[in-house]
Amino acid sequence: QVQLVESGGGVVQPGRSLRLSCAASGFTFSSYAMHWVRQAPGKGLEWVALISYDGSNKYYADSVKGRFTISRDNSKDTLYLQMNSLRAEDTAVFYCARDRDIVVVTGIPDYWGQGTLVTVSS
Amino acid sequence: DIQMTQSPSSLSASVGDRVTITCRASQSISSYLNWYQQKPGKAPKLLIYGASSLQSGVPSRFSGSGSGTDCTLTISSLQPEDFATYYCQQSYSTPYTFGQGTKLEIK
Repeated sequence: QVQLVESGGGVVQPGRSLRLSCAASGFTFSSYAMHWVRQAPGKGLEWVALISYDGSNKYYADSVKGRFTISRDNSKDTLYLQMNSLRAEDTAVFYCARDRDIVVVTGIPDYWGQGTLVTVSS
Repeated sequence: DIQMTQSPSSLSASVGDRVTITCRASQSISSYLNWYQQKPGKAPKLLIYGASSLQSGVPSRFSGSGSGTDCTLTISSLQPEDFATYYCQQSYSTPYTFGQGTKLEIK
């Protein structure tokens, strides 16, 4: 079965960096685009970034553009989110999610991980 | 960016009720509209994609309709496990924005 397991969250000071990872299993990771979506405590969902199946195309929310970088290692079945210049407003649970169809980007996250909490605080 | 607005923001209903949640986009998104259910402390679950297609494994009491700027999610007969927060999301263009959520509570 499809499984996505995020890691790398924790408490970080404003202005510092953090890298999240998402280990995928149960499907052919290299054939699917992948998303990061976040949720601030008690708030709604915010789409963060998407990377195509081969890593050739990347898209970002305006709120993270220039600070966050999405990447993937298909040889390790792992998705990453490098987060630089972190701000208090980046505090959230970060979910990785698989895009719904093979190769083609649909923009529809279907399977989600359990999330990892990032807290930006001094 | 495309703004997504859900109504109502919260809703109280009873088991067995028929419930409808509306999502409005700030511009036409054709049928590129998806619905998710989220329970406290859990990841969202995809219910409906393409405005009206039921995701595999989702009960048939869930249905979606609409296109253009207005879509709806209907639960035909509420079950105890349906009390949760529901989000719409547009997949027409990046950034793929979500609605603010509708919290469905037990009356």
